[in-house]
Amino acid sequence: GESVGLHLPTLSVQEGDNSIINCAYSNSASDYFIWYKQESGKGPQFIIDIRSNMDKRQGQRVTVLLNKTVKHLSLQIAATQPGDSAVYFCAEAQGAQKLVFGQGTRLTINP
Amino acid sequence: DSGVTQTPKHLITATGQRVTLRCSPRSGDLSVYWYQQSLDQGLQFLIQYYNGEERAKGNILERFSAQQFPDLHSELNLSSLELGDSALYFCASSVEGGRNTQYFGPGTRLTVL
Repeated sequence: GESVGLHLPTLSVQEGDNSIINCAYSNSASDYFIWYKQESGKGPQFIIDIRSNMDKRQGQRVTVLLNKTVKHLSLQIAATQPGDSAVYFCAEAQGAQKLVFGQGTRLTINP
Repeated sequence: DSGVTQTPKHLITATGQRVTLRCSPRSGDLSVYWYQQSLDQGLQFLIQYYNGEERAKGNILERFSAQQFPDLHSELNLSSLELGDSALYFCASSVEGGRNTQYFGPGTRLTVL
């Protein structure tokens, strides 16, 4: 069935470096994607979203890139900070009612 | 703070028991979603309500049920609890249904002993 998955379960970067978290999706009909950040003991927090009529969208220190040709989504975080340590989920909108979440990538920032 | 509230924060109970989890959506949001998150399953969609009516069902067990009340708060009822039901349960809300951004509450951690 359709699924949203992540290439890497863990990612470690040095503080101040840029990080890239990747996500693959399998449903070519999906047209809405969201990245969430989940810190330990907290609920997922909306970071940024993108619709399929765009290939790039920027927020504060974050950029989401969408490559529909290869069904790939990425989240770029610039100048990572200790507070960026968390699990990052991509989610895909399928149909009109629900999001499908990937398993998540744990991002660790090394001092 | 997402504006979504959930109570209780923690719940410890025994197998075979029944519990109720409560969620208040963000002001103005009509849709409420329930998710289960366990270590090996990630975020699993359970059920969605929109303005008091069930809109979509996911992997929700028959032992689980939910409802959304006229004031738009929602309750998730879990009965005949099993050890495997131990998980974090999140509520999310959105303005409408479909492709609106969902905002998550802090979750309820359920431990079944």
